[in-house]
Amino acid sequence: DIQMTQSPSSLSASVGDRVTITCRASQRIRDYLNWYQQKPGKAPQLLIFAPSSLQSGVPSRFSGSGFGTDFTLTISSLQPEDFATYYCQQSYSTPPTFGQGTRLEMK
Amino acid sequence: EEQLVESGGGLVQPGGSLRLSCVGSGFNFVGFWMNWVRQAPGKGLEWVANIKQDGSDKYYVDSVKGRFTISRDNARSSLFLQMNSLRAEDTAVYYCARSLARTAYGLRLDSWGQGTLVTVSS
Repeated sequence: DIQMTQSPSSLSASVGDRVTITCRASQRIRDYLNWYQQKPGKAPQLLIFAPSSLQSGVPSRFSGSGFGTDFTLTISSLQPEDFATYYCQQSYSTPPTFGQGTRLEMK
Repeated sequence: EEQLVESGGGLVQPGGSLRLSCVGSGFNFVGFWMNWVRQAPGKGLEWVANIKQDGSDKYYVDSVKGRFTISRDNARSSLFLQMNSLRAEDTAVYYCARSLARTAYGLRLDSWGQGTLVTVSS
């Protein structure tokens, strides 16, 4: 199975900050990488896929990039509603696997 | 409005069985692969299984092979997960989610249910 490793595991930031989360795959996965946001007690929501395409309705302050093994999710200017946990997920092979999550907390 | 609604969770003893259901509405259910993803309390996401549009292909994570069975009834826009020989480590919130394909660009989970909690404990 392909292992996905996110860093950092947790992050404290303030409204207006620029934030970057990294995801690394244990083998090359081309650009078959998705990002999800999950708020406490809620289901995850797809943010970005393939890995730079924004899902419909997602604000443009979110962006994704990467190819091969290294990927990033960037939030250009944090808003209060962005404090949540973020997961990357590879769709290169079965089973699809997720990173362990990055918890974004308010400083 | 596109919606997925799970049901069937609950408390079950180790070794017991449970059947989860997920009903889709507001979209063409038969046009999508359907997936189950679980999340143990305080932990991350783990994909469990998926099934092709017509039910002809099914895939499972190794830890549930031989114990869980995924199925669907397109006439009722319903997805199921039959869980047998349950273990404490199966305790989790189980989500159903749809995707366009099994891998590559199509395996993005773009709509999720609210989840149903399964607790395996004596």
